[in-house]
Amino acid sequence: ILNVEQSPQSLHVQEGDSTNFTCSFPSSNFYALHWYRWETAKSPEALFVMTLNGDEKKKGRISATLNTKEGYSYLYIKGSQPEDSATYLCAPLNFNKFYFGSGTKLNVKP
Amino acid sequence: EAQVTQNPRYLITVTGKKLTVTCSQNMNHEYMSWYRQDPGLGLRQIYYSMNVEVTDKGDVPEGYKVSRKEKRNFPLILESPSPNQTSLYFCASRIRDRGWNEQYFGPGTRLTVT
Repeated sequence: ILNVEQSPQSLHVQEGDSTNFTCSFPSSNFYALHWYRWETAKSPEALFVMTLNGDEKKKGRISATLNTKEGYSYLYIKGSQPEDSATYLCAPLNFNKFYFGSGTKLNVKP
Repeated sequence: EAQVTQNPRYLITVTGKKLTVTCSQNMNHEYMSWYRQDPGLGLRQIYYSMNVEVTDKGDVPEGYKVSRKEKRNFPLILESPSPNQTSLYFCASRIRDRGWNEQYFGPGTRLTVT
């Protein structure tokens, strides 16, 4: 079992604030790191798939970076909006298994 | 429309009564997987399959069985459900590779075992 840690567990921000979360994972046997966005009463949806050390991905106001040597990834949201409210999950792929963190729950207040 | 479907979406059953949750995908994906989600815990992988007739245990396989007789279907079987299997279950699929492709999740099945 891989120990995947996400911090913070929850976050309350005002609309317009920028924020970031951390995902820490063991760096050995690393294949890829997936980020998912999970809204209440829906299914997780993929945000980013990152594979190489130093990878940076961006989708609109959301971006992510990856450091495979030290075993961490950051997710950034610029100018948070209420529709960004969700739980953000990271999941490293180790051999053929996914190991999900418990997520960061983001609440953006209008 | 590309999708992963699960049935049933909601199920209340009693201890010991065998049940099957079906999962089907129409994207010709080789890799399929079952997860359970419990409060305070992340998604935990129960079983996964790399292709037809190839299945392997995830982190929490006890009490579950799977089969992969066809590429599109990956049913989850609970031979003798117990209350500690009350959970939210997700099926997912993706292209089989080293991890470069995303997973697509089904809508979830909420199971209650009394």
